[in-house]
Amino acid sequence: NAGVTQTPKFQVLKTGQSMTLQCAQDMNHNSMYWYRQDPGMGLRLIYYSASEGTTDKGEVPNGYNVSRLNKREFSLRLESAAPSQTSVYFCASSEIGRPGNTIYFGEGSWLTVV
Amino acid sequence: DQQVKQNSPSLSVQEGRISILNCDYTNSMFDYFLWYKKYPAEGPTFLISISSIKDKNEDGRFTVFLNKSAKHLSLHIVPSQPGDSAVYFCAAFKAAGNKLTFGGGTRVLVKP
Repeated sequence: NAGVTQTPKFQVLKTGQSMTLQCAQDMNHNSMYWYRQDPGMGLRLIYYSASEGTTDKGEVPNGYNVSRLNKREFSLRLESAAPSQTSVYFCASSEIGRPGNTIYFGEGSWLTVV
Repeated sequence: DQQVKQNSPSLSVQEGRISILNCDYTNSMFDYFLWYKKYPAEGPTFLISISSIKDKNEDGRFTVFLNKSAKHLSLHIVPSQPGDSAVYFCAAFKAAGNKLTFGGGTRVLVKP
């Protein structure tokens, strides 16, 4: 029962470096999401993909790009990392049209940009 | 401009007593409201939800109340248990776009 799997779990980057966070779900969900969690800010939506082949910006998309590689996989890329992108990143997936009780989250990826 | 706000960053309660977590929102177009629970080093997990057309939903020790006129919802945990110690996020769901908007979270500590 893997659910939502994201890698890596921990990463330290230097300012200006690039990296990709990988996410895969095995629940055959149509929608996938990337959130970031910062103290006192809750989880803020970076990008989401309502279905395979589509991606849309969330609240805080600047500095990020995404790829919905197939129905299972949704990756998040930082092209030129900045210290402001130090955060915990969560991938999630759900079925379209369900009110949120079927949104499942991965365990998180801790990213530090120095 | 935070559409969903949790104004209390932390809450401490004695085991067996009631925990009350509050959440305010600004957008009257949300379709559902949800509460998620998060332990350290884990992703959030769904706890309970309420439709925007209801004013109360109960599931075991957890009850969510919705006051639409005040744009306010609350989560009651009765009785509180030490295992309830976690961060609780309020979230609002809009069907158009299939997106969740989260509040900042409230850290609950239940003392034995």
